[in-house]
Amino acid sequence: LAKTTQPISMDSYEGQEVNITCSHNNIATNDYITWYQQFPSQGPRFIIQGYKTKVTNEVASLFIPADRKSSTLSLPRVSLSDTAVYYCLVGDGANAGKSTFGDGTTLTVKP
Amino acid sequence: DAGVTQSPTHLIKTRGQQVTLRCSPKSGHDTVSWYQQALGQGPQFIFQYYEEEERQRGNFPDRFSGHQFPNYSSELNVNALLLGDSALYLCASSRARDRVGTGELFFGEGSRLTVL
Repeated sequence: LAKTTQPISMDSYEGQEVNITCSHNNIATNDYITWYQQFPSQGPRFIIQGYKTKVTNEVASLFIPADRKSSTLSLPRVSLSDTAVYYCLVGDGANAGKSTFGDGTTLTVKP
Repeated sequence: DAGVTQSPTHLIKTRGQQVTLRCSPKSGHDTVSWYQQALGQGPQFIFQYYEEEERQRGNFPDRFSGHQFPNYSSELNVNALLLGDSALYLCASSRARDRVGTGELFFGEGSRLTVL
């Protein structure tokens, strides 16, 4: 299973862009990169998924370099409600047994 | 469209007891995965059920067992509870055809188990 490494915590201010990087040096050819958001006492919620280059949806962008050994989740213009734990998950899509959650990055957005 | 529902939301047990947690997957989903999340840590994969059989298993002892019913709902059973079993237990559902390649896990709100 691909092991992921993320910063433990990050601080930001409302309106700023936040970039959270995840390292996954032993990513396999078939692995996708998926990011989840989790609020206290709730289950994780899907944010975005990608395989290579750049993916963008209505809430975030995901940047993946050519070697795929890392990925960066970009949150544009964060608000207080974006304060949460963000997990980078590397594995075979929704194949839970072949994906591993790390300890995540706690993002704190300040006013 | 109801998402993933879990019950109970909170429960308290004592060491040595047994507990059963329940999960109903999102409509249209046929695969259920269970996770244990200790305070301050990421979710740890316990096992995954598809077609009423355990298909994959994480590094958890046999005290942890499960079941999937014909309607795709699932139960997680933990026997001989230990203090260290105190955690948030999360259920996630998905579609089998999404498990290879793209696909996302839909999580419930979890069941908070406290073992005294």
